[in-house]
Amino acid sequence: DIVMTQSPSSLAVSTGETVTINCKSSQSLLYSGNQKNYLAWYQQKPGQSPELLIYWASTRQSGVPDRFIGSGSGTDFTLTISSVQAEDLAIYYCQQYYDSYTFGAGTKLDLK
Amino acid sequence: QIQLVQSGPELKKPGESVKISCKASGYTFTNYGIFWVKQAPGQGLQYMGWINTETVKPTYADDFKGRFVFFLETSASTAYLQINNLKNEDMATYLCAKGKRYGDYPFDYWGQGVMVTVSS
Repeated sequence: DIVMTQSPSSLAVSTGETVTINCKSSQSLLYSGNQKNYLAWYQQKPGQSPELLIYWASTRQSGVPDRFIGSGSGTDFTLTISSVQAEDLAIYYCQQYYDSYTFGAGTKLDLK
Repeated sequence: QIQLVQSGPELKKPGESVKISCKASGYTFTNYGIFWVKQAPGQGLQYMGWINTETVKPTYADDFKGRFVFFLETSASTAYLQINNLKNEDMATYLCAKGKRYGDYPFDYWGQGVMVTVSS
Protein backbone atom coordinates (compact mmCIF):
# COMPACT_ATOMS: atom_id res chain seq x y z
CA ASP A 1 0.00 0.00 0.00
CA ILE A 2 1.13 3.54 -0.74
CA VAL A 3 1.68 5.55 2.44
CA MET A 4 1.12 9.30 2.38
CA THR A 5 3.00 11.42 4.90
CA GLN A 6 1.98 15.04 5.45
CA SER A 7 3.87 17.75 7.25
CA PRO A 8 3.43 19.69 9.36
CA SER A 9 0.48 18.20 11.23
CA SER A 10 -0.65 21.68 12.19
CA LEU A 11 0.38 25.28 11.70
CA ALA A 12 -0.84 28.67 12.82
CA VAL A 13 -0.82 31.60 10.46
CA SER A 14 -1.99 35.19 10.22
CA THR A 15 -4.29 36.28 7.44
CA GLY A 16 -2.34 37.48 4.44
CA GLU A 17 0.55 35.09 5.00
CA THR A 18 1.63 32.39 2.57
CA VAL A 19 1.66 28.83 3.84
CA THR A 20 3.12 25.61 2.51
CA ILE A 21 1.91 22.10 3.26
CA ASN A 22 3.97 19.09 2.28
CA CYS A 23 2.97 15.60 1.24
CA LYS A 24 5.32 12.72 0.56
CA SER A 25 4.32 9.37 -0.93
CA SER A 26 6.08 6.06 -0.28
CA GLN A 27 6.32 5.45 -4.02
CA SER A 28 6.18 7.56 -7.14
CA LEU A 29 2.76 8.80 -8.19
CA LEU A 30 3.98 9.76 -11.66
CA TYR A 31 2.59 7.50 -14.35
CA SER A 32 4.96 7.31 -17.29
CA GLY A 33 2.15 6.59 -19.76
CA ASN A 34 0.67 10.08 -19.48
CA GLN A 35 3.23 11.98 -17.36
CA LYS A 36 0.54 12.76 -14.78
CA ASN A 37 0.94 12.68 -11.02
CA TYR A 38 -2.00 10.93 -9.37
CA LEU A 39 -2.18 13.28 -6.39
CA ALA A 40 -5.12 15.34 -5.09
CA TRP A 41 -5.62 17.86 -2.30
CA TYR A 42 -8.81 18.31 -0.29
CA GLN A 43 -9.98 20.96 2.17
CA GLN A 44 -12.22 20.05 5.09
CA LYS A 45 -13.66 22.95 7.06
CA PRO A 46 -14.97 22.35 10.60
CA GLY A 47 -18.22 20.41 10.59
CA GLN A 48 -18.21 20.03 6.80
CA SER A 49 -17.37 17.37 4.25
CA PRO A 50 -14.11 17.49 2.32
CA GLU A 51 -13.93 19.47 -0.92
CA LEU A 52 -11.65 18.74 -3.83
CA LEU A 53 -9.14 21.56 -4.38
CA ILE A 54 -6.45 20.18 -6.67
CA TYR A 55 -5.97 17.07 -8.79
CA TRP A 56 -3.17 15.82 -11.07
CA ALA A 57 -0.98 17.50 -8.42
CA SER A 58 -1.48 20.98 -9.88
CA THR A 59 -4.86 21.31 -11.61
CA ARG A 60 -7.35 23.40 -9.67
CA GLN A 61 -10.89 22.09 -9.43
CA SER A 62 -13.49 24.40 -10.95
CA GLY A 63 -14.31 27.31 -8.63
CA VAL A 64 -11.19 27.00 -6.45
CA PRO A 65 -9.46 30.36 -5.91
CA ASP A 66 -6.11 30.76 -7.61
CA ARG A 67 -4.39 31.38 -4.28
CA PHE A 68 -4.37 27.59 -3.92
CA ILE A 69 -1.40 26.20 -5.84
CA GLY A 70 -0.37 22.58 -6.09
CA SER A 71 3.11 21.55 -7.16
CA GLY A 72 5.54 18.66 -7.09
CA SER A 73 6.14 15.41 -8.90
CA GLY A 74 7.08 11.82 -8.21
CA THR A 75 7.02 11.42 -4.44
CA ASP A 76 7.13 15.00 -3.15
CA PHE A 77 4.24 17.41 -3.38
CA THR A 78 3.29 20.80 -1.97
CA LEU A 79 0.11 22.78 -1.48
CA THR A 80 0.78 26.50 -1.24
CA ILE A 81 -1.88 28.93 -0.07
CA SER A 82 -0.93 32.49 -0.84
CA SER A 83 -2.44 35.34 1.17
CA VAL A 84 -4.36 33.10 3.57
CA GLN A 85 -7.90 34.21 4.30
CA ALA A 86 -9.91 33.44 7.44
CA GLU A 87 -12.15 31.17 5.36
CA ASP A 88 -9.12 28.97 4.58
CA LEU A 89 -8.92 27.69 8.14
CA ALA A 90 -9.46 23.99 7.71
CA ILE A 91 -7.74 20.62 7.60
CA TYR A 92 -6.00 19.85 4.34
CA TYR A 93 -5.53 16.27 3.12
CA CYS A 94 -3.47 14.91 0.28
CA GLN A 95 -4.67 11.75 -1.48
CA GLN A 96 -3.00 9.41 -3.92
CA TYR A 97 -5.12 7.72 -6.57
CA TYR A 98 -2.29 5.96 -8.40
CA ASP A 99 -2.93 2.60 -6.76
CA SER A 100 -6.31 2.46 -5.07
CA TYR A 101 -6.68 5.44 -2.76
CA THR A 102 -4.86 6.62 0.35
CA PHE A 103 -5.15 9.85 2.30
CA GLY A 104 -2.49 11.63 4.28
CA ALA A 105 -3.16 12.25 7.98
CA GLY A 106 -4.05 15.87 7.39
CA THR A 107 -2.63 19.31 8.18
CA LYS A 108 -4.68 21.60 10.39
CA LEU A 109 -4.46 25.28 9.53
CA ASP A 110 -5.27 27.61 12.44
CA LEU A 111 -5.19 31.36 12.96
CA LYS A 112 -2.44 32.85 15.12
CA GLN B 1 -26.67 20.91 -9.36
CA ILE B 2 -24.89 17.75 -8.31
CA GLN B 3 -25.75 16.60 -4.79
CA LEU B 4 -25.17 13.55 -2.64
CA VAL B 5 -27.61 13.47 0.26
CA GLN B 6 -27.04 10.92 2.98
CA SER B 7 -29.40 9.52 5.59
CA GLY B 8 -29.55 10.67 9.19
CA PRO B 9 -27.50 9.79 12.28
CA GLU B 10 -27.72 6.30 13.71
CA LEU B 11 -27.46 4.95 17.25
CA LYS B 12 -26.83 1.23 17.41
CA LYS B 13 -25.73 -1.43 19.87
CA PRO B 14 -22.70 -3.65 19.35
CA GLY B 15 -23.61 -6.64 17.20
CA GLU B 16 -26.42 -4.85 15.36
CA SER B 17 -26.42 -3.81 11.71
CA VAL B 18 -26.78 -0.36 10.18
CA LYS B 19 -27.71 0.69 6.63
CA ILE B 20 -26.65 4.13 5.39
CA SER B 21 -27.96 5.64 2.18
CA CYS B 22 -26.44 8.10 -0.28
CA LYS B 23 -28.89 9.57 -2.80
CA ALA B 24 -27.37 11.18 -5.87
CA SER B 25 -28.97 13.86 -8.00
CA GLY B 26 -27.99 16.27 -10.74
CA TYR B 27 -26.09 13.78 -12.90
CA THR B 28 -26.43 10.37 -14.54
CA PHE B 29 -25.93 8.00 -11.62
CA THR B 30 -24.45 5.13 -13.62
CA ASN B 31 -21.76 7.27 -15.23
CA TYR B 32 -19.65 7.68 -12.08
CA GLY B 33 -18.53 5.46 -9.23
CA ILE B 34 -19.59 5.96 -5.62
CA PHE B 35 -16.88 5.83 -3.00
CA TRP B 36 -17.11 5.38 0.77
CA VAL B 37 -14.83 7.03 3.35
CA LYS B 38 -14.70 6.58 7.13
CA GLN B 39 -13.82 9.41 9.50
CA ALA B 40 -13.49 8.39 13.14
CA PRO B 41 -14.10 11.15 15.72
CA GLY B 42 -11.31 13.73 15.52
CA GLN B 43 -9.43 11.61 13.01
CA GLY B 44 -8.55 11.74 9.33
CA LEU B 45 -10.07 10.18 6.25
CA GLN B 46 -9.90 6.44 5.60
CA TYR B 47 -10.80 4.99 2.21
CA MET B 48 -13.24 2.09 2.50
CA GLY B 49 -13.84 1.14 -1.12
CA TRP B 50 -16.18 1.87 -3.98
CA ILE B 51 -18.97 0.52 -6.09
CA ASN B 52 -19.13 0.64 -9.86
CA THR B 53 -22.61 1.98 -10.52
CA GLU B 54 -22.59 0.60 -14.06
CA THR B 55 -21.58 -3.00 -13.31
CA VAL B 56 -22.73 -2.98 -9.65
CA LYS B 57 -19.37 -4.48 -8.68
CA PRO B 58 -18.13 -3.47 -5.23
CA THR B 59 -14.46 -3.23 -4.30
CA TYR B 60 -13.44 -3.16 -0.65
CA ALA B 61 -10.25 -1.85 0.89
CA ASP B 62 -8.46 -4.50 2.97
CA ASP B 63 -9.62 -3.11 6.33
CA PHE B 64 -13.24 -3.26 5.21
CA LYS B 65 -13.60 -6.78 3.88
CA GLY B 66 -16.11 -8.99 5.63
CA ARG B 67 -18.65 -6.95 7.60
CA PHE B 68 -19.09 -4.09 5.15
CA VAL B 69 -21.38 -4.25 2.13
CA PHE B 70 -21.89 -1.75 -0.68
CA PHE B 71 -24.98 -2.02 -2.83
CA LEU B 72 -27.22 0.06 -5.06
CA GLU B 73 -30.80 0.90 -5.82
CA THR B 74 -30.05 2.19 -9.29
CA SER B 75 -33.64 3.11 -10.10
CA ALA B 76 -33.50 5.53 -7.16
CA SER B 77 -29.93 6.74 -7.86
CA THR B 78 -29.03 5.62 -4.36
CA ALA B 79 -26.01 3.81 -2.97
CA TYR B 80 -25.97 2.04 0.35
CA LEU B 81 -23.39 1.05 2.91
CA GLN B 82 -24.37 -1.69 5.32
CA ILE B 83 -22.22 -2.54 8.32
CA ASN B 84 -22.97 -5.86 10.01
CA ASN B 85 -22.05 -7.00 13.51
CA LEU B 86 -21.19 -3.47 14.63
CA LYS B 87 -18.18 -2.99 16.87
CA ASN B 88 -17.15 -0.05 19.03
CA GLU B 89 -14.43 0.86 16.54
CA ASP B 90 -17.07 1.35 13.85
CA MET B 91 -18.24 4.50 15.60
CA ALA B 92 -17.48 7.19 13.02
CA THR B 93 -18.87 9.44 10.34
CA TYR B 94 -19.33 7.65 7.03
CA LEU B 95 -19.10 9.76 3.88
CA CYS B 96 -20.03 8.90 0.33
CA ALA B 97 -18.38 10.63 -2.60
CA LYS B 98 -18.67 10.66 -6.36
CA GLY B 99 -15.69 9.85 -8.55
CA LYS B 100 -14.69 12.62 -10.93
CA ARG B 101 -14.59 10.06 -13.72
CA TYR B 102 -14.39 6.29 -14.01
CA GLY B 103 -10.84 5.09 -13.71
CA ASP B 104 -8.17 6.59 -11.51
CA TYR B 105 -9.67 9.91 -10.50
CA PRO B 106 -10.28 11.72 -7.20
CA PHE B 107 -13.66 12.49 -5.60
CA ASP B 108 -15.34 15.68 -6.73
CA TYR B 109 -18.60 15.71 -4.75
CA TRP B 110 -19.27 14.46 -1.25
CA GLY B 111 -22.28 13.68 0.88
CA GLN B 112 -22.74 15.41 4.21
CA GLY B 113 -21.77 12.29 6.16
CA VAL B 114 -23.65 10.02 8.57
CA MET B 115 -22.59 9.76 12.19
CA VAL B 116 -22.89 6.21 13.50
CA THR B 117 -22.75 5.84 17.27
CA VAL B 118 -22.17 2.39 18.71
CA SER B 119 -23.02 2.08 22.37
CA SER B 120 -24.46 -0.59 24.61
